[in-house]
Amino acid sequence: DIQMTQSPSSLSASEGDRVTITCRASQFISRYLNWYQQKPGKAPKLLIYGASDLQSGVPSRFSGSGSGTDFTLTITSLQREDFATYYCQQSYTSPVTFGPGTKVDVK
Amino acid sequence: EVQLLESGGGLAQPGGSLRLSCAVSGFSFNTYAMNWVRQAPGKGLEWVSAITGSGHSTTYADSVKGRFTISRDNSKNTLYLQMNSLRAEDSAIYYCAKENKAVFGKGRFDQWGQGTLVTVSS
Repeated sequence: DIQMTQSPSSLSASEGDRVTITCRASQFISRYLNWYQQKPGKAPKLLIYGASDLQSGVPSRFSGSGSGTDFTLTITSLQREDFATYYCQQSYTSPVTFGPGTKVDVK
Repeated sequence: EVQLLESGGGLAQPGGSLRLSCAVSGFSFNTYAMNWVRQAPGKGLEWVSAITGSGHSTTYADSVKGRFTISRDNSKNTLYLQMNSLRAEDSAIYYCAKENKAVFGKGRFDQWGQGTLVTVSS
């Protein structure tokens, strides 16, 4: 199975901050990398697919980049509603696997 | 509006069984693969199983293979997960998630249900 790692595991930030989360795959996954946001008590929500494509309805302050094994999720100006946990997911091979998550909380 | 509504969770004894359902509306159910993803309390996301839109092909995580069975009734717009030989480590919130295409693999989970909690304990 492909192992996904994320860093940092958590971070504290303020509204307006630029936030960057990295995700690394243990093997080549091309651009089959998705990002999800999960708020407490809620289901995950797709933010970015194909490493850099923005899901419909997701604010443009979210962006993704990378290919191969190294990927990044960037939030350019953190808003109150963005405090959540973020997961990367590879869908290049079965089984699909998720990263352990990065919790973004209030500084 | 797309809706996915899970049900069937609850308390089960080790070695017992439960059947989860996911009723969907708002999209052409039979044209999309579907998945089950679980999340143990305070933990991350773990993919469990997937089924193609036609229902002809399925796949499972090693952790549940041989114990869980995914199925779908396209006439009822409903996805199922039959869980047998339950273990304590199966305790989790179980989400159904829609894939963006008819077959699984190289896709994304673009719609999720709200989840149903399964607790396995004596």
